Amino acid sequence: GAGVSQTPSNKVTEKGKYVELRCDPISGHTALYWYRQSLGQGPEFLIYFQGTGAADDSGLPNDRFFAVRPEGSVSTLKIQRTERGDSAVYLCASSRSSVSEGWPQHFGDGTRLSIL
Amino acid sequence: QQQVKQSPQSLIVQKGGISIINCAYENTAFDYFPWYQQFPGKGPALLIAIRPDVSEKKEGRFTISFNKSAKQFSLHIMDSQPGDSATYFCAAGDWRAAGNKLTFGGGTRVLVKP
Repeated sequence: GAGVSQTPSNKVTEKGKYVELRCDPISGHTALYWYRQSLGQGPEFLIYFQGTGAADDSGLPNDRFFAVRPEGSVSTLKIQRTERGDSAVYLCASSRSSVSEGWPQHFGDGTRLSIL
Repeated sequence: QQQVKQSPQSLIVQKGGISIINCAYENTAFDYFPWYQQFPGKGPALLIAIRPDVSEKKEGRFTISFNKSAKQFSLHIMDSQPGDSATYFCAAGDWRAAGNKLTFGGGTRVLVKP
């Protein structure tokens, strides 16, 4: 597809479980971002990758959250010991680059995570 | 700390009317200001963006006005249509810094009545 693809679209799990959320960026986009959007609010930045490395993870709320992008394309956001407060829509965005020109970020439709 | 404040939270406008959404920011390092449109169950879609070197940018029915000294910017939707009913988010970023991570406002839910 031409856009950012996120899977699964919905994930329901129990408190304390481990979850992985996948993002497949637009082909050729080197920059990848994860945001979290709680109900009725704007997206909040979590982490940014330039290529394979996490260049800025200042938005990750705690050490239960971790993300990887081993080959510089697909990224996985991992949440350990999930809590009910982790329930939100997790959005992924990609852009051609982030270090020059301010290329626009294109968002996927997100993964709606519900922790019971 | 909310660095981008957006108002109103919601607005109702008649078809053909003008929708106006305002945002204010605090961080003077911000120099990239996009607006996103979001429909239920979908991700935000970029509508229009502006840099602080211009005071206004127009694309079709959408216009951004920017006031650098006041640290405010706004979105005007002209000739509003029912299909424009969505949630709109302003955002701000510092594209010169590594990352250009965006800080979003709280959103404005727009309803256009036919």
